[in-house]
Amino acid sequence: SQKIEQNSEALNIQEGKTATLTCNYTNYSPAYLQWYRQDPGRGPVFLLLIRENEKEKRKERLKVTFDTTLKQSLFHITASQPADSATYLCALDNQAGTALIFGKGTTLSVSS
Amino acid sequence: EAQVTQNPRYLITVTGKKLTVTCSQNMNHEYMSWYRQDPGLGLRQIYYSMNVEVTDKGDVPEGYKVSRKEKRNFPLILESPSPNQTSLYFCASSSGTENQPQHFGDGTRLSIL
Repeated sequence: SQKIEQNSEALNIQEGKTATLTCNYTNYSPAYLQWYRQDPGRGPVFLLLIRENEKEKRKERLKVTFDTTLKQSLFHITASQPADSATYLCALDNQAGTALIFGKGTTLSVSS
Repeated sequence: EAQVTQNPRYLITVTGKKLTVTCSQNMNHEYMSWYRQDPGLGLRQIYYSMNVEVTDKGDVPEGYKVSRKEKRNFPLILESPSPNQTSLYFCASSSGTENQPQHFGDGTRLSIL
């Protein structure tokens, strides 16, 4: 079955720096990969989706890359702010296309 | 406002007492799903529904039931709750499965004593 690893449980950075979060998967290559943000006590909120034929996707200060050779996605937040502090989850489709499989998340803390 | 609404948000109950967590979405989405989130285990899918009257098991369906009689509602039923079902539960919906982002409710924290 597909496994997802987000390489660190916690990441602490200074305000203004770029945060880079990693998502690795095993087995089959998904057709697309999604990133979500989760704040304490709230449900995940969709941020970005990248398809297997896209190398990079951007939205404001967010950038996602997808390398199907390395089986890896990188999620970047540039000019980070304390308000970016949250847990970030990557997710990809199961082979049947009936569900998203989520990584355990990386908790980002941005200090001022 | 587009949203997924879960009720209750918090519930403390006892072993064996049947309970239902309701989920409703106002986006006319076909696909709905239930997840549970546990420390160290992440989000795991319990059940999903591709459309009205179509439901199927996810990764951790034991001890749970669902129904999808109407497009907007997807209740999660615990017929005989046990302490190992203490968890944070999320309902989600999307307009499909492939390439579609999921919209999540704000969660229901269940404690089974």
